Amino acid sequence: QSVLTQPPSVSAAPGQKVTISCSGSSSNIGKNLISWYQRLPGAAPKLLIYEDNKRPSGIPDRFSGSKSGTSGTLGITGLQTGDEADYYCTSWDSSLSVGVFGGGTKLTVL
Amino acid sequence: EVQLVESGGNLVQPGGSLRLSCAASGFTLRTHWMSWVRQAPGKGLEWVAHINPVGSETFYVDSVKGRFTISRDNAKNSLFLQMNSLRVEDTAVYFCTRGGVGASLWGQGTLVTISS
Repeated sequence: QSVLTQPPSVSAAPGQKVTISCSGSSSNIGKNLISWYQRLPGAAPKLLIYEDNKRPSGIPDRFSGSKSGTSGTLGITGLQTGDEADYYCTSWDSSLSVGVFGGGTKLTVL
Repeated sequence: EVQLVESGGNLVQPGGSLRLSCAASGFTLRTHWMSWVRQAPGKGLEWVAHINPVGSETFYVDSVKGRFTISRDNAKNSLFLQMNSLRVEDTAVYFCTRGGVGASLWGQGTLVTISS
């Protein structure tokens, strides 16, 4: 059971938009910044979004992040087959004094 | 090239010990928080431990407290994870990362298998 809650899977057609939710609590997302990672099969996780809504250099603006209260959302527009991956949200938990991840969401581009 | 390279993963019996190393190149380790993350087979990602730039503060997930120790040698640009009293549930790929929860640089991982 992960501290942060994500839907196990989402799907959408190529070119469409999808959102992935991440629900936490006042000790993690409600108090600290959220980041999002993409995990392609066989590859190390890749940082997509940090500090709630910032994109590292090289990450296309098709990827966006937002936060409200104790929840965060990752948005992906213009879906491509290459976006099929597992997506993870993460934040610091001030009560546990350690980083925490969501359980991951598998994105399928139909 | 800026990179992290983990080593030390192996097959170990339950109750055994293992020391993972992470060699940093292309940047200076001493200015960064560093962390270890693991992913067990068929499971999601899990933060294992974090350490501040000078090594004076460390943080651990509850399941490894008292068994794992994160440390660093900034002079050698290296990060370590000493793992004792290993359990079957510690079986995972272990990643070294630069930073905390917003880690922009990851190694490729090293496989730790705990089995009799």
